[in-house]
Amino acid sequence: AQSVTQPDIHITVSEGASLELRCNYSYGATPYLFWYVQSPGQGLQLLLKYFSGDTLVQGIKGFEAEFKRSQSSFNLRKPSVHWSDAAEYFCAVAGNFGNEKLTFGTGTRLTIIP
Amino acid sequence: EAGVVQSPRYKIIEKKQPVAFWCNPISGHNTLYWYRQNLGQGPELLIRYENEEAVDDSQLPKDRFSAERLKGVDSTLKIQPAELGDSAVYLCASSLVTAGEYEQYFGPGTRLTVT
Repeated sequence: AQSVTQPDIHITVSEGASLELRCNYSYGATPYLFWYVQSPGQGLQLLLKYFSGDTLVQGIKGFEAEFKRSQSSFNLRKPSVHWSDAAEYFCAVAGNFGNEKLTFGTGTRLTIIP
Repeated sequence: EAGVVQSPRYKIIEKKQPVAFWCNPISGHNTLYWYRQNLGQGPELLIRYENEEAVDDSQLPKDRFSAERLKGVDSTLKIQPAELGDSAVYLCASSLVTAGEYEQYFGPGTRLTVT
């Protein structure tokens, strides 16, 4: 069965500092990987996705993620966070080019301090 | 382009009462999903539709939950009777295929509180 682990429940960083959110997945076939962000009271917004090709993918809002098959990881990074990045971040995996259910991790809550 | 629309945004009911949620997907999206998000958790799929057909309902508690997608567009998710453990956010999503790749777009969700 597929699964996603986000080992950090809550992360606090200073505004302007760099950020890395960890994600490990378990999937028996070719994984299709996603990062979503959820602000309070809002739905999920897709930040970026990995389907194939270059293992470093760029997303919206200055985020990037790197797929490492050997480590079963898909970590999200941002070089300099802004106060508006405070939100809940979810990593997810799906099969069949994304046309199946997304299996989500439990999320990482990001707090930004001035 | 309008996003996925859900209503109501919030619903408070007493246990044993029925409740229904409505979703209008993005125009042209054939695949529609209902997820449930419990507090502090990631969303979990309840049911997935391809047009009018429910192709994955393995996680839908069929004793009390039902869903329909008439005409392959709008969808309704119903709970009857509701239990305290059904308190959660119910998210609807629809997906678009571009060059063989699917992206799921989520609505704002309906927050259900069962008292």
